[in-house]
Amino acid sequence: GDSVTQMEGPVTLSEEAFLTINCTYTATGYPSLFWYVQYPGEGLQLLLKATKADDKGSNKGFEATYRKETTSFHLEKGSVQVSDSAVYFCALTPSGSARQLTFGSGTQLTVLP
Amino acid sequence: DAGVTQSPTHLIKTRGQQVTLRCSPKSGHDTVSWYQQALGQGPQFIFQYYEEEERQRGNFPDRFSGHQFPNYSSELNVNALLLGDSALYLCASSPPGQEGTQYFGPGTRLLVL
Repeated sequence: GDSVTQMEGPVTLSEEAFLTINCTYTATGYPSLFWYVQYPGEGLQLLLKATKADDKGSNKGFEATYRKETTSFHLEKGSVQVSDSAVYFCALTPSGSARQLTFGSGTQLTVLP
Repeated sequence: DAGVTQSPTHLIKTRGQQVTLRCSPKSGHDTVSWYQQALGQGPQFIFQYYEEEERQRGNFPDRFSGHQFPNYSSELNVNALLLGDSALYLCASSPPGQEGTQYFGPGTRLLVL
């Protein structure tokens, strides 16, 4: 079945550092790919998405590019802020049936001032 | 514009009891999905409702059931609660024709003693 693998955390960075959180997936065809963020005590917020190969999703300074050849969707940000501290989840919905989100296990990010 | 709302925010039950969780989707959304998020893990898909019917179901036992009402709001029912049902239960809604793009509520934290 479909699956998503994220780099294990936690990740601790200093403010203004460069962020990369790796995400790879296993799925048939061309799934849609998502990054969600979960702040402490809150539900998940959609951060960005990409629906076809080579698409780049971006939002709030975060970017991720859908790489079909490496089955990856790595999250990047050039300069993180303390307010970016949260848990980040990579997820997919299968091609042909955009219903069930399959999530990775999440990566905890802590940004220190 | 109100987002997805869920009630109650927290709930404590004992083994063997039954629980009902409620969800109101974002305005204009017609599809509701439910997820279970155990501590430190990614959300797991329970089921999705559309036009008052269960359209897709994840790998959860029949103790988990749901309902969608004509106003698109939804309930999740869990019977014969087990300790392992303790988790954050998330509801997500989607706009028409975009089931893969899901907007999450803050969740209901269920503790089974």
